[in-house]
Amino acid sequence: EAQVTQNPRYLITVTGKKLTVTCSQNMNHEYMSWYRQDPGLGLRQIYYSMNVEVTDKGDVPEGYKVSRKEKRNFPLILESPSPNQTSLYFCASISLGSTDTQYFGPGTRLTVL
Amino acid sequence: AQSVTQPDIHITVSEGASLELRCNYSYGATPYLFWYVQSPGQGLQLLLKYFSGDTLVQGIKGFEAEFKRSQSSFNLRKPSVHWSDAAEYFCAVGARLAGGSYIPTFGRGTSLIVHP
Repeated sequence: EAQVTQNPRYLITVTGKKLTVTCSQNMNHEYMSWYRQDPGLGLRQIYYSMNVEVTDKGDVPEGYKVSRKEKRNFPLILESPSPNQTSLYFCASISLGSTDTQYFGPGTRLTVL
Repeated sequence: AQSVTQPDIHITVSEGASLELRCNYSYGATPYLFWYVQSPGQGLQLLLKYFSGDTLVQGIKGFEAEFKRSQSSFNLRKPSVHWSDAAEYFCAVGARLAGGSYIPTFGRGTSLIVHP
């Protein structure tokens, strides 16, 4: 089954404690991205990756890092989380050149105290 | 750069009534347009998309949307709303990637409340 998986689904942490949210897709997609969703703001793109070792900033990259060492994985790293990063996070992927739509993961709800 | 405006933050309708959610976009060329739905506590589900051709697009769950270039709009409609349609609805315009793929740039969403 084609899918994008994220872990963990829920996370409560404290300010400054480094965390990683994993994202994995099984469709051999080149393009992967991370979004955050906040009430009244819709989904905003944090970072994206066009392929292995190719990443770039989205609209709201401050406070986040990503890496793309393998095609299937695109982890989101918060090295020093702050309360304003409390949000719902979605990972997504798509095959470049495809007329298909982007596949979204189930979401990770992060609370930073 | 492309952008999407959903002018209604909340919409309240009675079950069985008709529904129209508004969406206006800004894009320099022919837009690729999407509507997504997010039920409470759930991820995003694609309702329908417009790439080209017939300007009236049919989607899942009985939804349809009409692309009107002259008004830069892509409004979502449903003739009779069910209580299970209560959710957050997002309109999106497609940003083109290399190779011809499109990824959505989202509006802020409209929350649909359905009264029994």
